[in-house]
Amino acid sequence: EAQVTQNPRYLITVTGKKLTVTCSQNMNHEYMSWYRQDPGLGLRQIYYSMNVEVTDKGDVPEGYKVSRKEKRNFPLILESPSPNQTSLYFCASAGRKLTDTQYFGPGTRLTVL
Amino acid sequence: SQQGEEDPQALSIQEGENATMNCSYKTSINNLQWYRQNSGRGLVHLILIRSNEREKHSGRLRVTLDTSKKSSSLLITASRAADTASYFCATASGTYKYIFGTGTRLKVLA
Repeated sequence: EAQVTQNPRYLITVTGKKLTVTCSQNMNHEYMSWYRQDPGLGLRQIYYSMNVEVTDKGDVPEGYKVSRKEKRNFPLILESPSPNQTSLYFCASAGRKLTDTQYFGPGTRLTVL
Repeated sequence: SQQGEEDPQALSIQEGENATMNCSYKTSINNLQWYRQNSGRGLVHLILIRSNEREKHSGRLRVTLDTSKKSSSLLITASRAADTASYFCATASGTYKYIFGTGTRLKVLA
């Protein structure tokens, strides 16, 4: 089954404790992206990647890092999480064309205390 | 304000009625997409309309695009309780930066 998986689905952590949210897709997609969703703000793009070792900033990259060492994986790293990064995070993937459908993962609900 | 703002923010209708939601954006686009989200779950792609298209249909969905007004509308005909969800528009420009709107919460009453 074609899918985007994220782990963990729920995470509660404390300020400053480094964490990684994993994202994996099995559709051989070139494009992968991370979004955060906050009430009243919709989804905002954090980082995206068009290929292995190629990443670009979205609208809200501050406080986040990503890496794309393999085509299927695109982890999101919070080196020193802060409470304002409490949010619902989504990973998405798509083919190389701008008109390709984005497939979203189930989301990771992160709480930073 | 953010590109891709939806209007209205919330909409409540009776089953069988049509639901219309609108999206406005600010810059030139390559395409505009509509997504559905059920209760904080992942988004599901509904339909994409290219910048050179004016109208597109998919089942009970009809999307229009007016690039002169920088706006799009999504019409869901003969709505069902299962259509209850949040709907988002997203614009794609020349890069792979997607900009999502703030969403319309649709409630269909049985």
